[in-house]
Amino acid sequence: EPEVTQTPSHQVTQMGQEVILRCVPISNHLYFYWYRQILGQKVEFLVSFYNNEISEKSEIFDDQFSVERPDGSNFTLKIRSTKLEDSAMYFCASSEVRGTYEQYFGPGTRLTVT
Amino acid sequence: KNQVEQSPQSLIILEGKNCTLQCNYTVSPFSNLRWYKQDTGRGPVSLTIMTFSENTKSNGRYTATLDADTKQSSLHITASQLSDSASYICVVLSYNTDKLIFGTGTRLQVFP
Repeated sequence: EPEVTQTPSHQVTQMGQEVILRCVPISNHLYFYWYRQILGQKVEFLVSFYNNEISEKSEIFDDQFSVERPDGSNFTLKIRSTKLEDSAMYFCASSEVRGTYEQYFGPGTRLTVT
Repeated sequence: KNQVEQSPQSLIILEGKNCTLQCNYTVSPFSNLRWYKQDTGRGPVSLTIMTFSENTKSNGRYTATLDADTKQSSLHITASQLSDSASYICVVLSYNTDKLIFGTGTRLQVFP
């Protein structure tokens, strides 16, 4: 069964460094998403992406964050200058269509900022 | 403010028993409500998706109900198994947006 994959599974970085989190969505899906989950807290929406553009973003997704689909398969989340509070689990998800269609989540990347 | 609240926060049951988890939401306008299962350190996995017109939806031993008038949903798990130990998250999508709104989840532990 097709699945969303994410790399790396765990990333440790120093405060102020740039990180790129990578995701490979399910191949025929058109909508892509990033979420984060700070330890012990609820999952929070960051951004949605369709047709090579951001379609929606939350207030968390400030200028420090960017997303890109550099080729036909990868979908990346870049954090330009990491802060301690960026430490969280980051989940990528994809769906065929938006709305009532199911979003399939990847296993997540645990980002630890020291 | 759009919010999703769940109860209880945590629940311990014995294998083979049934349980019901609750969800209340204030999201408006409402599009659909989802229940996800999340194992520790893993991504959420969808169990059910219900739109405004659906009152009940089942997926194996999981049965979700929705009352759109009172803005309440429940997830009933029948004949629990050890593998049901996980967090169960109620998620609501508002109309014409991509932004899923997550509840804090109910942490279920099933003991033998």
